[in-house]
Amino acid sequence: GEDVEQSLFLSVREGDSSVINCTYTDSSSTYLYWYKQEPGAGLQLLTYIFSNMDMKQDQRLTVLLNKKDKHLSLRIADTQTGDSAIYFCAENRGNSGGYQKVTFGTGTKLQVIP
Amino acid sequence: NAGVTQTPKFRVLKTGQSMTLLCAQDMNHEYMYWYRQDPGMGLRLIHYSVGEGTTAKGEVPDGYNVSRLKKQNFLLGLESAAPSQTSVYFCASSDQRRGGWGNQPQHFGDGTRLSIL
Repeated sequence: GEDVEQSLFLSVREGDSSVINCTYTDSSSTYLYWYKQEPGAGLQLLTYIFSNMDMKQDQRLTVLLNKKDKHLSLRIADTQTGDSAIYFCAENRGNSGGYQKVTFGTGTKLQVIP
Repeated sequence: NAGVTQTPKFRVLKTGQSMTLLCAQDMNHEYMYWYRQDPGMGLRLIHYSVGEGTTAKGEVPDGYNVSRLKKQNFLLGLESAAPSQTSVYFCASSDQRRGGWGNQPQHFGDGTRLSIL
């Protein structure tokens, strides 16, 4: 399909790991991104992965990419209350006349319980 | 370094009124975008621009117009506001990745919350 799919809601306890999943649409997508949106704010880029990689780690964040299944996940280790936000995955379908067609998922709201 | 700045932050309009949302970026980015965010629908692209003096339609362009007279500014206009245009509007900018494939990630403003009564 055309949609980038994410589950709408995830609740975890403080200190546990969170895993947010995403299914994207285009096997030729070049970059896949994770953005974080805190209440009342815009989207902030958290991390991204290039399509020739299957894993990327950045401090508490681990991104896993399964190109065969077009599945992307974001793992947050030792989840803190400050991690409560909406997380969007997005796929960059590469250049098309100089314009990057980026499609965003619907967002997963992460609730961290103290 | 302000990044992407959107004005105003909030606005309430009556049906049929017009207004312009302003987006300014200070990163010398080539590409700029306007999105709307509605509950459960993620971000939908309204219009975009690949450089000064250029604009193009996105996914949901009807009822909106845009202009990019200066590289750093991207304006979104509502000609005759309708309640269906009640939303949070986000501007973003990005640059072409140098010497590689694909583009730089998009940088977002903090949004304009618009209510149409």
